Amino acid sequence: GEDVEQSLFLSVREGDSSVINCTYTDSSSTYLYWYKQEPGAGLQLLTYIFSNMDMKQDQRLTVLLNKKDKHLSLRIADTQTGDSAIYFCAERTPGGSYIPTFGRGTSLIVHP
Amino acid sequence: DGGITQSPKYLFRKEGQNVTLSCEQNLNHDAMYWYRQDPGQGLRLIYYSQIVNDFQKGDIAEGYSVSREKKESFPLTVTSAQKNPTAFYLCASSIKVGAGITDTQYFGPGTRLTVL
Repeated sequence: GEDVEQSLFLSVREGDSSVINCTYTDSSSTYLYWYKQEPGAGLQLLTYIFSNMDMKQDQRLTVLLNKKDKHLSLRIADTQTGDSAIYFCAERTPGGSYIPTFGRGTSLIVHP
Repeated sequence: DGGITQSPKYLFRKEGQNVTLSCEQNLNHDAMYWYRQDPGQGLRLIYYSQIVNDFQKGDIAEGYSVSREKKESFPLTVTSAQKNPTAFYLCASSIKVGAGITDTQYFGPGTRLTVL
């Protein structure tokens, strides 16, 4: 079955790195996504990684994928107050409806 | 500018009334989706549509209805049968369903529905 787990909260100091973790259960996942949701807004696609990759970097964002442990992480370097938001991990599997399954989201709080 | 619009941003309704939430996209995407978000919860799929005049129930379709008469539009009706309709509703679209990276979903800004 499909299940995506995330911790609910993360608090970091401005300028530090943030690491948001996600675990998933379906080993046949093909794409894994990270979305950002600011208060009262929709979800914004940050990045995605294909399952045959281990790492993807995009400016301050680094995505690491450990397929053996079914673990995905999003690292934000030099975290700013504008990074405060809810971050959702999602996986897409080739079986069933192909529609991504979302985690509950991690609230990132950045304090001065 | 291409994108997904949802209207209104805030919606209030009295108990027992039906209400329709609008979702429009000009991305030329075939697939559209409706999700419900409650505080501290993830996204729960209500309905999705892969093509015009066709749609499928998601995980929590009871008390909701949809139509897909045009490619650009996928309105959601919250009926009086929905027992707890107060929530944040998100519409999304993707190029296709079941075709690799084209499944990637893009979201609208959401509508917050409050039942008084």
